[in-house]
Amino acid sequence: QVQLKETGPDLVQLTQTLSITCTVSGFSLTTYNVHWVRQPPGKGLEWMGAMWNGGGTDYNSAFKSRLSISRDTSKSQVFLKMNSLQTDDTAKYFCARSSAFDYWGQGVMVTVSS
Amino acid sequence: DIQMTQSPSSLPASLGDRVTITCRASQDIGNYLRWFQQKPGKSPRLMIYGATNLAAGVPSRFSGSRSGSDYSLTISSLESEDMADYYCLQSKESPFTFGSGTKLEIK
Repeated sequence: QVQLKETGPDLVQLTQTLSITCTVSGFSLTTYNVHWVRQPPGKGLEWMGAMWNGGGTDYNSAFKSRLSISRDTSKSQVFLKMNSLQTDDTAKYFCARSSAFDYWGQGVMVTVSS
Repeated sequence: DIQMTQSPSSLPASLGDRVTITCRASQDIGNYLRWFQQKPGKSPRLMIYGATNLAAGVPSRFSGSRSGSDYSLTISSLESEDMADYYCLQSKESPFTFGSGTKLEIK
């Protein structure tokens, strides 16, 4: 069945780089897009960007040059990297399948600490 | 960027009530509108896609509609399991944008 699972650190130091992996099963990354969405504690959802099934990427300009999304199709993994972390990057980070957003991972809660 | 203005932010309601949540799009998004339900500590769940289509496994008391640039999610008869946060999402163009959310709670 379709599954997505995010793995990453619980805690990241201020100004450092966040790396999160989304490992998928039950579908191919060359057939379906994968999106990244985050949610600060007690706040709403924010679309961060996408890895398209053809290998291209798209980013929310709010993250400008801080954000990078890549993939390893042989491992069914999509990677999110974001640098220069600030305290307001503390959030739960989700990956979701396709522009249908029909399946989501359970999310990983990341705290940025000074 | 397309702005999605969602209202109300909070909706106290009683079991059995008919409730409606609305999102207004700042530009034309056609029917590229989805609704999600999110319960505390859980991932969002797709409820409605294409503005009016019920996602798989969603109870028929949920429905979606469109009037111009206004998109609505209606629950015909509120049940206790419906108490959650609800978000709209436009996927017409990048950056995709969510509404600010509606907290549906028991009155």
